[in-house]
Amino acid sequence: QQQVRQSPQSLTVWEGETAILNCSYEDSTFNYFPWYQQFPGEGPALLISISSVSDKKEDGRFTIFFNKREKKLSLHITDSQPGDSATYFCAARLASSSFSKLVFGQGTSLSVVP
Amino acid sequence: NTKITQSPRYLILGRANKSLECEQHLGHNAMYWYKQSAEKPPELMFLYNLKQLIRNETVPSRFIPECPDSSKLLLHISAVDPEDSAVYFCASSHRVSGNTLYFGEGSRLIVV
Repeated sequence: QQQVRQSPQSLTVWEGETAILNCSYEDSTFNYFPWYQQFPGEGPALLISISSVSDKKEDGRFTIFFNKREKKLSLHITDSQPGDSATYFCAARLASSSFSKLVFGQGTSLSVVP
Repeated sequence: NTKITQSPRYLILGRANKSLECEQHLGHNAMYWYKQSAEKPPELMFLYNLKQLIRNETVPSRFIPECPDSSKLLLHISAVDPEDSAVYFCASSHRVSGNTLYFGEGSRLIVV
């Protein structure tokens, strides 16, 4: 099945804490996993991504941990800032498709409290 | 993101016809229409590659896409239904197989 699941649905952390957003999938043919950040009234924007050949991808305060065997990944946001408050979508791309069809999870709404 | 512009940004309709417009200034070959309903993730509607429609995700026939050139995308909507209330995003990627999608700011459609 082409499903991507995210948890929690919403998350509140204090400024400076690490926020952990979880994602899991079922289709083993997914090979690329981008995380999109969406602020209210705006379109989603690519934040960070990982391919299935890696188990970790880091970009500043944002890190993806990927467990291919368990079909799980997580996004860690260290030293969370109020400006990180947004909805985060985990997505997955089908390896077999000749076009870029992304399957999006339901999203995690993150609130960072000062 | 001013590199993908959409208009109008907000639209309130009864059972009327209207067109949404999108233009990308990134030189990308592939353009997409996505629908995002309230509290839901974006869902692919249509995909064009070099002006050719290559993907139609079983969208109601009242939605008709048009790609007049490789940088422009239109979405014609006729006799809208309340379930059509959503934000419609235009997106593009360098190639149709490209991994990175760039989204516009969306057109919010409210059906009354």
